[in-house]
Amino acid sequence: SQTIHQWPATLVQPVGSPLSLECTVEGTSNPNLYWYRQAAGRGLQLLFYSVGIGQISSEVPQNLSASRPQDRQFILSSKKLLLSDSGFYLCAWLAGHRNYGYTFGSGTRLTVV
Amino acid sequence: SQKIEQNSEALNIQEGKTATLTCNYTNYSPAYLQWYRQDPGRGPVFLLLIRENEKEKRKERLKVTFDTTLKQSLFHITASQPADSATYLCALDTGGFKTIFGAGTRLFVKA
Repeated sequence: SQTIHQWPATLVQPVGSPLSLECTVEGTSNPNLYWYRQAAGRGLQLLFYSVGIGQISSEVPQNLSASRPQDRQFILSSKKLLLSDSGFYLCAWLAGHRNYGYTFGSGTRLTVV
Repeated sequence: SQKIEQNSEALNIQEGKTATLTCNYTNYSPAYLQWYRQDPGRGPVFLLLIRENEKEKRKERLKVTFDTTLKQSLFHITASQPADSATYLCALDTGGFKTIFGAGTRLFVKA
């Protein structure tokens, strides 16, 4: 069966520090992978998506970047965190057959202080 | 601009009653509409998908309707239980790579 792993679960980082969040998928090949951010009381904001190794589409952020070094690995990074980067970050995988919807990771709660 | 709205106020109902949650959208023509459940501190979990040419979809105690004329979806939980308490998100999917998620509605089911 397909599973998605995301870590760490929580992270407290000072302003100006770097960030690296990792997401891996098991049990599938060539998945479409996504990074979302969820602020309190707000909908999920799409940050990046990738349809294959080395392919990244950016939707919003100027301060964040993403990379896909391997087929089932998706990394979210920042060189210098801002206070506004605080939020709940979710990695997700979409099966080719949409009947199964998105499968989300357990999320990373990032607090920038 | 595209907008998706869910009732921001929490819904409180008594155990055994039917919970009905609403999802409205504008300036969008989704091919699919999805519903997810999210528990505090966890990622959303997919529940149901309904296509634009379907009026209704059922799964156990869940029922979803989709009215493309009203641009609205209703999500029903029948015979609700305290374990159904969570936040429920709707999501609009055009069939491409992007999906727009609503902010969700919190449901509290009292025993």
